[in-house]
Amino acid sequence: AQKVTQAQTEISVVEKEDVTLDCVYETRDTTYYLFWYKQPPSGELVFLIRRNSFDEQNEISGRYSWNFQKSTSSFNFTITASQVVDSAVYFCALSEEVGGEGGGATNKLIFGTGTLLAVQP
Amino acid sequence: GAGVSQSPSNKVTEKGKDVELRCDPISGHTALYWYRQRLGQGLEFLIYFQGNSAPDKSGLPSDRFSAERTGESVSTLTIQRTQQEDSAVYLCASSLDFWGAPPADTQYFGPGTRLTVL
Repeated sequence: AQKVTQAQTEISVVEKEDVTLDCVYETRDTTYYLFWYKQPPSGELVFLIRRNSFDEQNEISGRYSWNFQKSTSSFNFTITASQVVDSAVYFCALSEEVGGEGGGATNKLIFGTGTLLAVQP
Repeated sequence: GAGVSQSPSNKVTEKGKDVELRCDPISGHTALYWYRQRLGQGLEFLIYFQGNSAPDKSGLPSDRFSAERTGESVSTLTIQRTQQEDSAVYLCASSLDFWGAPPADTQYFGPGTRLTVL
């Protein structure tokens, strides 16, 4: 069964520290997609990154970087030099192609329970 | 351009009443999804639309929940005879996925409707 585990419920760091948010997933499929979303206090989910299962290259975007390790089924997210504005709940999600009724496919997202990151000034 | 919008942003209702939640997807997005987020938890998938058909309703928790969509536009999630356990934030998302193509497009979320059932 598909499952996403974010073992860290809450993390608190001081501004400028680096922080890594862990994500471990379970899937039987060979084709799947992994996502990270940010949910600030305002509540709206903000898309951060999408990675497909065939692309294991790590990615860096400014202070954000992602480490995809298929061998350990992990897709960890690191924020370098954290800032107060990074304070939010971060969700990791897994998408699989699943057959729906009538032959169509659906890519519903399976979310982890989220990690609350608090960055103190 | 405009993102996904949802209305109302907040809804307080009494147990047993029916509620309707509305979602306007990003223009041109053919796929639309509803999720529920209970307090302090992750998101649970409810239903997926491709155009105005719903190939995946597997997440609807009971027959009190239903949803419909007009063409590739607005969707309405209806909860009949609301119960206190229905209290949650209901989030809508849309993506560019086309019927029959491998679904891989990113889902963009609206701000959600916070439902409180007293």
